[in-house]
Amino acid sequence: SQQGEEDPQALSIQEGENATMNCSYKTSINNLQWYRQNSGRGLVHLILIRSNEREKHSGRLRVTLDTSKKSSSLLITASRAADTASYFCATRGYSTLTFGKGTMLLVSP
Amino acid sequence: DTAVSQTPKYLVTQMGNDKSIKCEQNLGHDTMYWYKQDSKKFLKIMFSYNNKELIINETVPNRFSPKSPDKAHLNLHINSLELGDSAVYFCASSQEINRGSTDTQYFGPGTRLTVL
Repeated sequence: SQQGEEDPQALSIQEGENATMNCSYKTSINNLQWYRQNSGRGLVHLILIRSNEREKHSGRLRVTLDTSKKSSSLLITASRAADTASYFCATRGYSTLTFGKGTMLLVSP
Repeated sequence: DTAVSQTPKYLVTQMGNDKSIKCEQNLGHDTMYWYKQDSKKFLKIMFSYNNKELIINETVPNRFSPKSPDKAHLNLHINSLELGDSAVYFCASSQEINRGSTDTQYFGPGTRLTVL
């Protein structure tokens, strides 16, 4: 299985701090995506990074991809209470997306 | 103007019953999916349809039967419900599913199924 594994499982920080979440996977991928899930809601796509890219930015989000280590990281800078959610990485291989188990982020005011 | 909608949002039912969950997308996407999210938040693909044709069918019991009357709808019918079927079921859609595609997926709000 090329299921992504996020680390840490849970992260608690103060508003204004940066939050870093990591994702590791097992097989070759075409792209890797990060999604956010607020409590009781569906997943929302945040950012996609292709296998030939190493870093990508979108607003306060920064994603890196190291295909040699089969890992990715998501950095959220200057976090806000509204960033409180679960964050999932999803790897795109041959067929469809395979989701990891997620990192639960709690940002306290 | 919800992009991906599901009904019902909550479903509580007894073991052995048959139930359906409906999903509709108005994004004009060709591909739709059903996912199951368990109590530990693990999200697992169940089915994928592309233009009304079944593309992916993971190891899901045949009590689960997806039906796609047109490419904007993908309904999930579950026969003989079991306790282990309790979970949140998400419908999603994307533009395409071909290898190499950047298939950003758009998720519905989820249906929380509780089997008593």
